[in-house]
Amino acid sequence: GENVEQHPSTLSVQEGDSAVIKCTYSDSASNYFPWYKQELGKGPQLIIDIRSNVGEKKDQRIAVTLNKTAKHFSLHITETQPEDSAVYFCAAGGDNDMRFGAGTRLTVKP
Amino acid sequence: KAGVTQTPRYLIKTRGQQVTLSCSPISGHRSVSWYQQTPGQGLQFLFEYFSETQRNKGNFPGRFSGRQFSNSRSEMNVSTLELGDSALYLCASSPGQEVFNSPLHFGNGTRLTVT
Repeated sequence: GENVEQHPSTLSVQEGDSAVIKCTYSDSASNYFPWYKQELGKGPQLIIDIRSNVGEKKDQRIAVTLNKTAKHFSLHITETQPEDSAVYFCAAGGDNDMRFGAGTRLTVKP
Repeated sequence: KAGVTQTPRYLIKTRGQQVTLSCSPISGHRSVSWYQQTPGQGLQFLFEYFSETQRNKGNFPGRFSGRQFSNSRSEMNVSTLELGDSALYLCASSPGQEVFNSPLHFGNGTRLTVT
């Protein structure tokens, strides 16, 4: 597998604003794209995922979009709240491997 | 349902020693995978097990090994520890055979410090 690039590495927003995190993958065999949220002292927790046969998925304030042709996928959080502050990881999985992005530290200021 | 349990939470070891970390998956989950998390390299896949068989291994030296027991519990071992092995080691379980294209349920990790 190849690496997954994630941007930005840090993101600071005001409460109520939207936050967008972008990832790019290079392995065309990747077909599963989860997003994980990691709070201090805890393991990553799945917040949303998307498969390669779907272009967009939404769950309340969280949405993920996938552009398979460009090998891009993005996480969108609307109406951010202080409890959204955490490190977010994207990942690209296939049959034999899962690669993670380097993470985005999101800070939501009250 | 109890989550993934990793023990111990913290470990301090000296260079050259070996260490064993333990992981109990969610009840009913048969796949267990291990990851190393460091500030510099991020989250990296170590290996994964299903029904006591190692099916995939990441790009780590042979000092890193693991096993899975018949009750799906798993252990990983690192021998001849190096300073660079200091990291958070995460275990994840999933219910079926598909590990890399299905949700992972992570434990809270074991923080290993090598001095």
